[in-house]
Amino acid sequence: DAGVTQSPTHLIKTRGQQVTLRCSPKSGHDTVSWYQQALGQGPQFIFQYYEEEERQRGNFPDRFSGHQFPNYSSELNVNALLLGDSALYLCASSLFPGLNYEQYFGPGTRLTVT
Amino acid sequence: GQNIDQPTEMTATEGAIVQINCTYQTSGFNGLFWYQQHAGEAPTFLSYNVLDGLEEKGRFSSFLSRSKGYSYLLLKELQMKDSASYLCAPLTDSWGKFQFGAGTQVVVTP
Repeated sequence: DAGVTQSPTHLIKTRGQQVTLRCSPKSGHDTVSWYQQALGQGPQFIFQYYEEEERQRGNFPDRFSGHQFPNYSSELNVNALLLGDSALYLCASSLFPGLNYEQYFGPGTRLTVT
Repeated sequence: GQNIDQPTEMTATEGAIVQINCTYQTSGFNGLFWYQQHAGEAPTFLSYNVLDGLEEKGRFSSFLSRSKGYSYLLLKELQMKDSASYLCAPLTDSWGKFQFGAGTQVVVTP
């Protein structure tokens, strides 16, 4: 049973560029959440997708956008990259609705903006 | 606003017990999760409290007091592999939106 997978593992971009990160949820899961984790900090909620729609959004600008596909996989897009966007981007999947809110995290994508 | 406080770092010796406290203030609350994160890796689920009281899971136990906005994670019989960051994460709604603390770095020494 494959867990949550993310690609790429590492990415280096230049300020002003655009980036797309990808996530495949754990088998059987239908909800994908994205988090940004800066060094030494806890993950910060970006947004959550369910049934191909953005259900919730954290305090992130519109430069951050996403998509969920019919197979439940998801993409995170960041436009006009800033140096401050350098972070570990984590994808977490879960099954909604349910009594168990446990989220399974992928290994993350380390984004460096220079 | 929303606020989660946990100590930055704690050090303990192998075989000892460590208690990581977390106080939280969130606009919504549906339970309290604890995650373990080793350096460079993804967070992994440790425990979940939705009602007040103690939940025990092997060497790990977690306690919740909703009225006080307080939780703790107890790590017993510490092992070197327990050296990691421990994240306190209130679940702020029924959709599964978490608010994470900055994490407590636990250092286990021989």
